[in-house]
Amino acid sequence: QQQVKQSPQSLIVQKGGISIINCAYENTAFDYFPWYQQFPGKGPALLIAIRPDVSEKKEGRFTISFNKSAKQFSLHIMDSQPGDSATYFCAASNSGGSNYKLTFGKGTLLTVNP
Amino acid sequence: DAGITQSPRHKVTETGTPVTLRCHQTENHRYMYWYRQDPGHGLRLIHYSYGVKDTDKGEVSDGYSVSRSKTEDFLLTLESATSSQTSVYFCAISPSGGGIYGYTFGSGTRLTVV
Repeated sequence: QQQVKQSPQSLIVQKGGISIINCAYENTAFDYFPWYQQFPGKGPALLIAIRPDVSEKKEGRFTISFNKSAKQFSLHIMDSQPGDSATYFCAASNSGGSNYKLTFGKGTLLTVNP
Repeated sequence: DAGITQSPRHKVTETGTPVTLRCHQTENHRYMYWYRQDPGHGLRLIHYSYGVKDTDKGEVSDGYSVSRSKTEDFLLTLESATSSQTSVYFCAISPSGGGIYGYTFGSGTRLTVV
């Protein structure tokens, strides 16, 4: 059972455009939702994260939008740049539980054309 | 990445042989994880540890075993390597189980089973 569903699998955007990646979760106990960014040949790295007590979090050109009732959250990359080309993973966890782990989506390969 | 080292970085092995991958951390983090990354499947959790000698299975644990005899080292063993275990393996560390302080990933081990 895939608890975090991510779409699209791949995305091509022109420089300066907006990149949008969506995730949906099933477990209502999840209360922490990070996004990880992975460049080729490297391990994933934490990009931005949100808690369900806010509907939006912005850090520079990256914004997470969160819809608790729909159990969905999304990553928006404004003014996308070729350097943003990477694989993006959403994830979720029950931070206070004994589950001890993040559940990751399958990833989105973003290509930003110059 | 600083504080976490995976070895070896690349390995080619023959079907049926045992293989051990090592993850070493200098951050004194309690939680350690082994993931495999394959196209179309994203990051899949193999095993994780929530303390010395405390380990548990992830979603794709068959054919793998782990050991953690001290805080800094988490070993992943393929008991009898198969071609389906050809993959990129990532180790991750975290001070919290739910990942609210972020996971730090290693640079990965590319394993090829021939």
